[in-house]
This record gives sequence, structure tokens and C-alpha cells, in this order.
Amino acid sequence: AQSVTQLGSHVSVSEGALVLLRCNYSSSVPPYLFWYVQYPNQGLQLLLKYTSAATLVKGINGFEAEFKKSETSFHLTKPSAHMSDAAEYFCAVSAKNNDMRFGAGTRLTVKP
Amino acid sequence: DTGVSQDPRHKITKRGQNVTFRCDPISEHNRLYWYRQTLGQGPEFLTYFQNEAQLEKSRLLSDRFSAERPKGSFSTLEIQRTEQGDSAMYLCASSLSQMNTEAFFGQGTRLTVV
Repeated sequence: AQSVTQLGSHVSVSEGALVLLRCNYSSSVPPYLFWYVQYPNQGLQLLLKYTSAATLVKGINGFEAEFKKSETSFHLTKPSAHMSDAAEYFCAVSAKNNDMRFGAGTRLTVKP
Repeated sequence: DTGVSQDPRHKITKRGQNVTFRCDPISEHNRLYWYRQTLGQGPEFLTYFQNEAQLEKSRLLSDRFSAERPKGSFSTLEIQRTEQGDSAMYLCASSLSQMNTEAFFGQGTRLTVV
């Protein structure tokens, strides 16, 4: 079975600083990996996905993530944080049966 | 198409009552998922359908929970004899059946059991 672990339930950065949200996965087969964002009182929105093509994946709102098989990681980054990036971020993995499993989430706070 | 829609958005019920939630997926999506999310946690997988067939159900899911997708379009999730621990956000998502496609989520139904 596949699973993800998100390191750090809360991350706080200053506006303009680098954002790094960590995700490690476990999968017995080549995984598909996703990052979703959830704003307060809203549903989950896809930021980006890895589907075994390029290992560096670019998503919406300036976010990107790099798939590193040797480290079983799929960390999410953004060079410069914006106040509007404050939200909950979820890493997810799916395998051949397309059953998507989520991490516990990381709450990102952006300080002015 | 306006995306995945869920009804109701909010439900308050007394302990012991039955509740039913509805999910209308994106029309061309043949996969439909139900998740439960509690405060500070990620979505927890409950069950999913491929067309009308329920292909997987979480082993953690109580027998009080049942889901249907009778015609392969909308789905319902019923909780019988609700308990306070059932209070959560119930999320529905849909996707195409190709392995690398993402799921699109509705805004959820927030259940409060008093």
C-alpha cells in the first residue's frame, strides 16, 4: 500500500522568503504524486502532479516540486512567499489502482 | 460543467439519527471517491467507485457507513445511528480512470453531531 508523510504540521515564513514543504512517500510500485492546496472553507485544489515524466514539476501560483526516487521525496517549493499563499497544503500519492492517499497536511503561515 | 458539487454544505444532526449526503461528480468522470477530513488532518479515504461498482472500502469504515452510486453518476453516502465521532467534513472527488489523472474535489459537507 502507498502512503505519504509530511514533515512539519506548521511552517511559518516571511513574505518574500523561500517556501519549502516536505513530503516523503512510500509505495511498492512507481507512484503518482500530487500536491493540493486548501484555503479556509474551500475544497482541495490541485497545485501540481508528478506522473513519471519530468522529475521537476511546475504548478500553479509559482510552486514547483521535484521527484527524487533515491530519497523517496516530493518536496514543494516556491522561491518567494506571498501573503496569499497562506493555506493548508496536502501531499498525496496514488498507485496503479488510482486510490489516492493523503498526508496529514502542512499549514503555511506567511508573515508580513 | 461547474465541477463536483456536494449537498448539503452543512448538516447538524442529533446523535442516533441517520444522515445522507449527495455528491454529483464532473459528468465525464467515471471514478468517484469519498473522503473524511477532521480538523488538522488530511483527507482520510473512505471508499471509491468506478462507474457504479464500489471497488474499495476502507477497513476502518464502520458498518454504519454505506455508499451507493446506482447509475454511475451521482453518489450518496449514508451514516446510520450517527455518533459524535462522526463529526467531520465529508469530501467527494471525481476523476477519469487513467492512472495519472488528478481528482477534483467538491467543497464538502460539514457534519456536526450533537
